[in-house]
Amino acid sequence: EPEVTQTPSHQVTQMGQEVILRCVPISNHLYFYWYRQILGQKVEFLVSFYNNEISEKSEIFDDQFSVERPDGSNFTLKIRSTKLEDSAMYFCASERGGAQETQYFGPGTRLLVL
Amino acid sequence: SQQGEEDPQALSIQEGENATMNCSYKTSINNLQWYRQNSGRGLVHLILIRSNEREKHSGRLRVTLDTSKKSSSLLITASRAADTASYFCATVETSGSRLTFGEGTQLTVNP
Repeated sequence: EPEVTQTPSHQVTQMGQEVILRCVPISNHLYFYWYRQILGQKVEFLVSFYNNEISEKSEIFDDQFSVERPDGSNFTLKIRSTKLEDSAMYFCASERGGAQETQYFGPGTRLLVL
Repeated sequence: SQQGEEDPQALSIQEGENATMNCSYKTSINNLQWYRQNSGRGLVHLILIRSNEREKHSGRLRVTLDTSKKSSSLLITASRAADTASYFCATVETSGSRLTFGEGTQLTVNP
């Protein structure tokens, strides 16, 4: 069964460094998402992406964040200058199409900012 | 306002018993989805119920949706120790496609 994959599974970085989190969505899916979950808290929406542009973003998704679909398979989240409070599990999700569809989540990348 | 609030926050039952978790929300929705998360792991989709549906079944799972009360319930029948996990409801509002998650219910099934 097709699944969403994410790399790396864990990343440790120093405050102020740039990180790129990578996702490979399910191949025939058209909508892509990033969510994050700070330890012990609920899952929060960051951004949605469709047709090579951001379709919706939350107040968390400020200028330090960017997303890109550099080729036909990868979907990336870049954090330009990481802060301690960016430490969280970051989940990518993909959806075949439309708001009535299931969003399938990847296993997550655990980011630790020191 | 909080969207997708679950109760109880924690539930501990014996294997073989049924587990019921509830979720309330505040806005108009397109659909409501239930996910499961084992400790520190990814989110596994369980079931999606659309706003025009009232009940859905999938194996040992039964989900109900009451849009007049803006609430949903997830019933797991004949629970197993392997069902131990956190369960989240998440809503998709009529105005977008983002999922808005609740705080989750931590279910412990004792063997």
